[in-house]
Amino acid sequence: DQQVKQNSPSLSVQEGRISILNCDYTNSMFDYFLWYKKYPAEGPTFLISISSIKDKNEDGRFTVFLNKSAKHLSLHIVPSQPGDSAVYFCAASAQGNQFYFGTGTSLTVIP
Amino acid sequence: DAGVTQSPTHLIKTRGQHVTLRCSPISGHKSVSWYQQVLGQGPQFIFQYYEKEERGRGNFPDRFSARQFPNYSSELNVNALLLGDSALYLCASSFSRLSGNTIYFGEGSWLTVV
Repeated sequence: DQQVKQNSPSLSVQEGRISILNCDYTNSMFDYFLWYKKYPAEGPTFLISISSIKDKNEDGRFTVFLNKSAKHLSLHIVPSQPGDSAVYFCAASAQGNQFYFGTGTSLTVIP
Repeated sequence: DAGVTQSPTHLIKTRGQHVTLRCSPISGHKSVSWYQQVLGQGPQFIFQYYEKEERGRGNFPDRFSARQFPNYSSELNVNALLLGDSALYLCASSFSRLSGNTIYFGEGSWLTVV
């Protein structure tokens, strides 16, 4: 039972444009959400988080939006850079328990 | 500051053997979690330890076990290895296990079972 879903396996974006990565979840008890970037042969690197009491969190070029009614969150990267090419995972947890991860979206930023 | 460190980084084992993976959390972090990631999937939760006690367990067989030591480092043990255990094993640490605590991953241990 996949509680966190990333329905787009891949995304290609031109350098300088916006990248939007989407994530859906089913468990309304989730209260904390994370985004990670992963390069091949490396562990996931934490990017940005958002608590369920917020609907937006921004850190430099990265912004995460949370729509609790739709059980949907998205990661915006503006402007996209070639170094952003990686696999991006969203993750969610409830009350400090285990994190559930999506299957990832492979982002390619074209120079 | 050192991040989460894991060892070994790569290893090859034969079916039926046993493996021990090790993890040192970020200094000051008291919670360690273990995840398994197979190709094309997201990380799957195996265990969470906090203050040396098991606080959560994922849907993995009893062949998987773990422990946390007084210095908060941790070991993951897998007995009677199967081909399907081939995966990237990730250790993550966090300051506590309260809601709102971000988990930080190590580089992982790549296990190949032949």
